[in-house]
Amino acid sequence: QKEVEQDPGPLSVPEGAIVSLNCTYSNSAFQYFMWYRQYSRKGPELLMYTYSSGNKEDGRFTAQVDKSSKYISLFIRDSQPSDSATYLCAMSSLQGAQKLVFGQGTRLTINP
Amino acid sequence: DTGVSQDPRHKITKRGQNVTFRCDPISEHNRLYWYRQTLGQGPEFLTYFQNEAQLEKSRLLSDRFSAERPKGSFSTLEIQRTEQGDSAMYLCASSLAWTSGTYNEQFFGPGTRLTVL
Repeated sequence: QKEVEQDPGPLSVPEGAIVSLNCTYSNSAFQYFMWYRQYSRKGPELLMYTYSSGNKEDGRFTAQVDKSSKYISLFIRDSQPSDSATYLCAMSSLQGAQKLVFGQGTRLTINP
Repeated sequence: DTGVSQDPRHKITKRGQNVTFRCDPISEHNRLYWYRQTLGQGPEFLTYFQNEAQLEKSRLLSDRFSAERPKGSFSTLEIQRTEQGDSAMYLCASSLAWTSGTYNEQFFGPGTRLTVL
């Protein structure tokens, strides 16, 4: 079983919809939780990160972390066609390499 | 500085050949990471350097793989005797080392896409 599980989709929604993306994880040592966006044949770019449990909002994007349930979410409000991409959750502990452990990625399409 | 750069962007090789990839990190970043991403999967950690020291290697990094970061600047990843299973996107990322209470983002390069025929 993978440390981080993410539904690969694909997910297709109409423009303006609210999008919900989710990941679960098994490693209690994870303290930082990130969401990356990756366009086709490009490197991932960081959207936002959260430390420990709680919510964080940045414009149309909201990240939620529930450490008790080992569950994280990303919500996108008023989705735009330019939001179409693969969304990757990633997690890291504070120790050692602080390497990122990624989910499989969810491929999202926003239809005009 | 325009970010992390990788070269080449694409590499096609025949099985059994050796290939080498280069990564140039953001200049002030002392940490450099290599990840591998196969189609439809998220990136997986391979190895990382702090300055010139290679501090951790994943079990994914077989003895056919070697990475260097001379003088703590650019890094190279070499794959010897390539196999079809090595076909993937190889991503490099750089960051400052984390300090207490501070998160330092890993910035990714565009990747090198390797195809082994």
